[in-house]
Formats: sequence, structure tokens, C-alpha cells
Amino acid sequence: GAVVSQHPSWVICKSGTSVKIECRSLDFQATTMFWYRQFPKQSLMLMATSNEGSKATYEQGVEKDKFLINHASLTLSTLTVTSAHPEDSSFYICSARPGHLNTEAFFGQGTRLTVV
Amino acid sequence: LAKTTQPISMDSYEGQEVNITCSHNNIATNDYITWYQQFPSQGPRFIIQGYKTKVTNEVASLFIPADRKSSTLSLPRVSLSDTAVYYCLVGRDSGGYQKVTFGIGTKLQVIP
Repeated sequence: GAVVSQHPSWVICKSGTSVKIECRSLDFQATTMFWYRQFPKQSLMLMATSNEGSKATYEQGVEKDKFLINHASLTLSTLTVTSAHPEDSSFYICSARPGHLNTEAFFGQGTRLTVV
Repeated sequence: LAKTTQPISMDSYEGQEVNITCSHNNIATNDYITWYQQFPSQGPRFIIQGYKTKVTNEVASLFIPADRKSSTLSLPRVSLSDTAVYYCLVGRDSGGYQKVTFGIGTKLQVIP
């Protein structure tokens, strides 16, 4: 199947700093990518839809100024957690879907963010 | 997006067949049913997708009745490595992409 890669796999940062997470579709082009957050023992919560060449669409309750999304190319989307706080510590996962209809979404391996 | 309901957890012994049923009463005509598997600290992995009747691949089978208001994921002869959370998703295409949202999922524990 198609491959979606995230980097880094884990990151520890200090409160108040910003962290960038990359999501790449390695063998297909993705005009749309999705970002999720998952807290321990909970399901994945969709944060935003990343659209290549345009602004991201955020889910209700997700602060767009805190979670900056850039989708500058057809194979790369980035999520920047700005001014991180301990409550932002979570597992962040991206997904992408090949452009043709009704195919499954492919997920990255996830990024474990710990804010200390 | 159609809401889905699954059992929160299931236990099974190794070597048994496991059937996980998902209810999606409000499924729309254009919706497909997709199942994902997630291990701890990993991204979800696609298992199977179907629209109606039965779909089978090398990993699982998916049974969908005629009214499509439910679906059953069947895992043949599970092993300890099948211990994971299984998500049932229902969704349609909108403007060329599918917004994938997750329910709680079913935590399957395979027992030796």
C-alpha cells in the first residue's frame, strides 16, 4: 500500500517553544492530508484538514493560531505546535489519501510530543 | 458522516475466529465501510473496505447485510499479535476527498 511518513517519531520540548511535525506521502501525491491528535486510551480526534496551496480547515475547538498547518507541496504537510504547553503533550498522527475516489486513507506512524 | 457504534472491548483465545460488529444505522447511499487496526503508539493501519455483501482479503473478511446498517469484521484464527484497537469508519467522498473521523473503536485482547 501507499506510504505516509512522519518525522520526528517522538520529540520532547520545553514549555513555550514551538515544534514542527512533518508528514510526507512517499509514493503518491496528496492534495489533502489530515491531522489527528490522540490522548492515551482515547480515539483519534481530527484536528484539521490540510489542503495543498490553500488554508487548512480546522475542526471546531482547535485553535488555528496554535496549530499552524502548511501544505506547500503535494507530498508534504507540516503541523507546528506553537508556544507548546504540557497539555499539548499527545500523539499526533497524519493521514493522506490518494486522489482517486473511495480508496482508503494511509496513516503516518505518529509523533509522540512531550512538553516539559 | 454516519455515526458508528462498536463494542468497547472483546476478549478472544488464540486460534479462534473473532467477529466484531459495527452499527451504522444512518449510513448513506454513497458511504463505504472501512476498518482500521491500531497498535499502541502507531498510526492506524487499513484492514479492509467494502460497500455491500462480502469482501475478503488476506487478512480479514467483511460482511455487510443488504440494508447496510451494520457490518461485521471477521478475523480468522487470531494470534496474540492481533491484540489491538479496531475502528469501524463510514464515510463518503466530498469534493474529491474523504474526511475520516474515528469512533471509540473496539479493543481486542487475544489471550494465550
